[in-house]
Amino acid sequence: QSALTQPPSASGSPGQSVTISCTGTSSDVGGYNFVSWYQQHPGKAPKLMIYEVNKRPSGVPDRFSGSKSGNTASLTVSGLQAEDEADYYCSSYAGSNNLVFGGGTKLTVL
Amino acid sequence: EVQVVESGGGLVKPGGSLRLSCAASGFIFKNAWMKWVRQAPGKGLEWVGRIKSKVNGGTTDYAAPVKGRFTISRDDSTNTLYLQLTSLKTEDTAVYYCTTGFYYDSPDFAYWGQGTLVTVSS
Repeated sequence: QSALTQPPSASGSPGQSVTISCTGTSSDVGGYNFVSWYQQHPGKAPKLMIYEVNKRPSGVPDRFSGSKSGNTASLTVSGLQAEDEADYYCSSYAGSNNLVFGGGTKLTVL
Repeated sequence: EVQVVESGGGLVKPGGSLRLSCAASGFIFKNAWMKWVRQAPGKGLEWVGRIKSKVNGGTTDYAAPVKGRFTISRDDSTNTLYLQLTSLKTEDTAVYYCTTGFYYDSPDFAYWGQGTLVTVSS
């Protein structure tokens, strides 16, 4: 199972919005509504930010939103804040009891 | 509060074996489908494998790079998840995380431990 494709980096200024893409195939992202997104600060464990494409766990700010179109899922961070600077990973169910991650995107707040 | 705590990491020679443990609390462990995820130094996240709850058959699934070498098991009497690593290669060097989903059978990773580092080197 190949990893999902994410841009290696993204950036934005405080207060701006930034969108990170996650491209797969019809066998993973496009085939199931089980895309999730994770935030990871250096030296820390990942944190679930979005599950099932667009659902937010309690405690996650509503500045974070998810969507999907075809084989591409997206994470949008609105009203960027300094603490949003981190690595972001997408994940998807890939059928046949497999799960797959994206390669990760380093988000820089300028 | 959901907690998972990994242990058992360390330095092992190529070809060697190691068993990782994950102590879980704060949820009904026997109902949860548990997963292992790893992260090589400076690299991204990689799904290692998953074990279903016994009521769902207790079956296991693995990522291609570890299939046939790693084994996931569980002890519902002690709320402990295990990952047996054998025939270790240098590329297995990583922090190994124990995780479970937002729902018991969710294909996502909602709760994470702090990870345990496995270093494979001669």
